[in-house]
Amino acid sequence: DQQVKQNSPSLSVQEGRISILNCDYTNSMFDYFLWYKKYPAEGPTFLISISSIKDKNEDGRFTVFLNKSAKHLSLHIVPSQPGDSAVYFCAASAYDTDKLIFGTGTRLQVFP
Amino acid sequence: DSGVTQTPKHLITATGQRVTLRCSPRSGDLSVYWYQQSLDQGLQFLIQYYNGEERAKGNILERFSAQQFPDLHSELNLSSLELGDSALYFCASGGWSGGPNSGANVLTFGAGSRLTVL
Repeated sequence: DQQVKQNSPSLSVQEGRISILNCDYTNSMFDYFLWYKKYPAEGPTFLISISSIKDKNEDGRFTVFLNKSAKHLSLHIVPSQPGDSAVYFCAASAYDTDKLIFGTGTRLQVFP
Repeated sequence: DSGVTQTPKHLITATGQRVTLRCSPRSGDLSVYWYQQSLDQGLQFLIQYYNGEERAKGNILERFSAQQFPDLHSELNLSSLELGDSALYFCASGGWSGGPNSGANVLTFGAGSRLTVL
């Protein structure tokens, strides 16, 4: 039962353009959503989060949008840089648990 | 350096064997989480310990077990290993103990232990 889904395994974007990574979820009990970035041979690192009571959170070049009615969130990276090339994981947590449920990840490649 | 230390970084062993993966959480964090990442798979939650006590269990096989010691480091024991157990095993730590309105529980991950079972 995949409660958090990232349906695009990969995405290729030109440097300077916008990268949009998508995530869908099924559990309406999720109250926080997080994005992590992972480089090869490293552990995932936290990028940005959003509470279920908000629809947008922004941090520099990174913005996360949440559409609760559609159970969908997206991460926008503007402008994309070659250093953003990594695997991006969407994760969610429910109010009554500490654990994070992760999606399968989207590999982003930013080319010059 | 995330502050979460995992050893060993790489481990190669044979089917049927037993291995122990070790994790030292970030200073001040009471919770330790174990995740498994198999090829092309997401991070699958295995188990969580909070201050020495098991807090939550995920898709952890009966052949696997874990514990958290008084100094808060944790060990994940994998026994009767099979080829399909080959994966990256990540440990993460966090300090938040749950409850509504407590904010997002941001986990800090170690670099992982890569297990290869031949």
